[in-house]
Amino acid sequence: QLQLQESGPGLVKPSETLSLTCSVSGGSITSSSYYWGWVRQPPGKGLEWIGTIYYTVNTNYNPSLRGRGTISVDTSKNQISLKLSSVTAADTAVYYCRLHVSLLENAFDIWGQGTVVTVSS
Amino acid sequence: QSVLTQPPSASGTPGQRVTISCSGSSSNIGSNSVYWYQQLPAAAPKLLISRSNQRPSGVPDRFSGSKSGTSASLAISGLRSEDEADYYCATWDGSFSGPWVFGGGTKLTVL
Repeated sequence: QLQLQESGPGLVKPSETLSLTCSVSGGSITSSSYYWGWVRQPPGKGLEWIGTIYYTVNTNYNPSLRGRGTISVDTSKNQISLKLSSVTAADTAVYYCRLHVSLLENAFDIWGQGTVVTVSS
Repeated sequence: QSVLTQPPSASGTPGQRVTISCSGSSSNIGSNSVYWYQQLPAAAPKLLISRSNQRPSGVPDRFSGSKSGTSASLAISGLRSEDEADYYCATWDGSFSGPWVFGGGTKLTVL
């Protein structure tokens, strides 16, 4: 069973770039059935999809990010990364790494435990 | 304003059956499977229902999902105190592998 662990700086200054890493253990991250993504949750609010990467290079992002997000896969390190540029206080949230597995017979998710990111000077 | 609409709150007493609705449009729920998540306090979301009505391994059969047209529902029977949590519906908006959208979440209180 794959396990996901997010890591990154807990505090980022406004206008800087937030960089997070999702380290995957228990198996390879490459499969045509895998859809890797990031989801965030601002304090006291609901879940917000950030973006997805599949087939290692295809990406989709939430339009509300206005082009600030980049998700990539490093197969040599078994990691998925998220970069979010020009951050503001509105980007303060718990950030989750999520794997959606879509098989012929079923589909399921695996989530990391989340990492707290605060944007503040 | 979420793309998918859920009631902000729901409640029930132990043993009761409660349902949580999720309303969308033809481009999301009307075209794709719906997923339901349970989020306990200070925890990551946990998948309860996939592909509108399938339970992943380990999810009790007290939880069930359904979909009709542009709406979906999560039903919880035999309500327990440990079911008190936030529940979210989600699906793709447009094609599979396209943008993923969540409902605003429903806070379930067990009275």
